[in-house]
Amino acid sequence: GQQLNQSPQSMFIQEGEDVSMNCTSSSIFNTWLWYKQDPGEGPVLLIALYKAGELTSNGRLTAQFGITRKDSFLNISASIPSDVGIYFCAGQRGAGNMLTFGGGTRLMVKP
Amino acid sequence: DGGITQSPKYLFRKEGQNVTLSCEQNLNHDAMYWYRQDPGQGLRLIYYSQIVNDFQKGDIAEGYSVSREKKESFPLTVTSAQKNPTAFYLCASSISAVPGYTFGSGTRLTVV
Repeated sequence: GQQLNQSPQSMFIQEGEDVSMNCTSSSIFNTWLWYKQDPGEGPVLLIALYKAGELTSNGRLTAQFGITRKDSFLNISASIPSDVGIYFCAGQRGAGNMLTFGGGTRLMVKP
Repeated sequence: DGGITQSPKYLFRKEGQNVTLSCEQNLNHDAMYWYRQDPGQGLRLIYYSQIVNDFQKGDIAEGYSVSREKKESFPLTVTSAQKNPTAFYLCASSISAVPGYTFGSGTRLTVV
């Protein structure tokens, strides 16, 4: 099935650095979501975006819904060791529709 | 508290044996899903069910079977026909009024 193009696949950064990752699609989505998966656990929703151009923050996390509705970005500021995990983007075309997931970005933080 | 529960967390089975993974939700969600995740990989859809007594194959259904006899429950059976069953299995659920899925905490299956 279709997957969103998520990049980078992995990042190894120093504690305190900012992180950026993005997700692109060839088709339009009406909702973009970002999940974080801690090692050995299920993904947990971080941020949901509902409107093209929307910029939403959740603590040190900021996500944007691309103006074309074909992409989304997630930024993490001042990374800390507990930010380690896999971050997944997901697009949803409409209420009740299934999610299309990106391949994930594995984030590793060096103290 | 409402949630989605997968059990067991870790499961070991001998090659050639069928094994059933449990997924139960008390969120009153209509739809439920099973995903497989291999190390360092993304999520691959095995089966999904949007209503009771109905389910559809996902991208990698071969060697797996499911049932949806109750709204709350969506067990996954990994059969001996699955060539490489060792993986992390995630169950999720959703309701049309709320975007996104709620995931369980996963079951790590190891076949020896």
